[in-house]
Amino acid sequence: GAGVSQSPSNKVTEKGKDVELRCDPISGHTALYWYRQSLGQGLEFLIYFQGNSAPDKSGLPSDRFSAERTGGSVSTLTIQRTQQEDSAVYLCASSLVPGPSGNTIYFGEGSWLTVV
Amino acid sequence: GQQLNQSPQSMFIQEGEDVSMNCTSSSIFNTWLWYKQEPGEGPVLLIALYKAGELTSNGRLTAQFGITRKDSFLNISASIPSDVGIYFCAGTHSGGSNYKLTFGKGTLLTVNP
Repeated sequence: GAGVSQSPSNKVTEKGKDVELRCDPISGHTALYWYRQSLGQGLEFLIYFQGNSAPDKSGLPSDRFSAERTGGSVSTLTIQRTQQEDSAVYLCASSLVPGPSGNTIYFGEGSWLTVV
Repeated sequence: GQQLNQSPQSMFIQEGEDVSMNCTSSSIFNTWLWYKQEPGEGPVLLIALYKAGELTSNGRLTAQFGITRKDSFLNISASIPSDVGIYFCAGTHSGGSNYKLTFGKGTLLTVNP
């Protein structure tokens, strides 16, 4: 498709299990972002990838969270030993070049994670 | 981290009414963006503002970048049922990364036909 694609759209997992969330950005977009949206909250920055540069991981809430971007395209966000507070919608976004200035950041539909 | 205060949290209005929502920050922002999110969807960009004082329209939507660079408002005129959704302000703040968006907590808009 033409937009940012995320999978799975919904995931229910047991506390303590690991989960992987996948993001396919728009073709040709060099910048890729992950955000987290908890119930009733705004979006919270997690991590940013730009080309071959080192990612900005400053928003990852703990060392249980990691992400990679292979070949400058697909990205995977991994949460190890999930906790109930990890329940949220995980949104991926991409843009042609970094940042919103003169450039649109497109969001995917999100992966809704529920930890029980 | 930086915080954006968005108000109101929710609005319940009649079709045809005008709507206004705003965001304020304690620090200076370089860009202000307004997004709309519908159930099960990701946020979609409505309006982007890049200069202090800038006033931009997109159909029935109008948004302004405050002169102090610490606030922005979004107005929706003659609301219709499909305006229902959560509206978020967002931006990049001065002294921060130009790619990292800070979001408000959203305004839930309900339009009664």
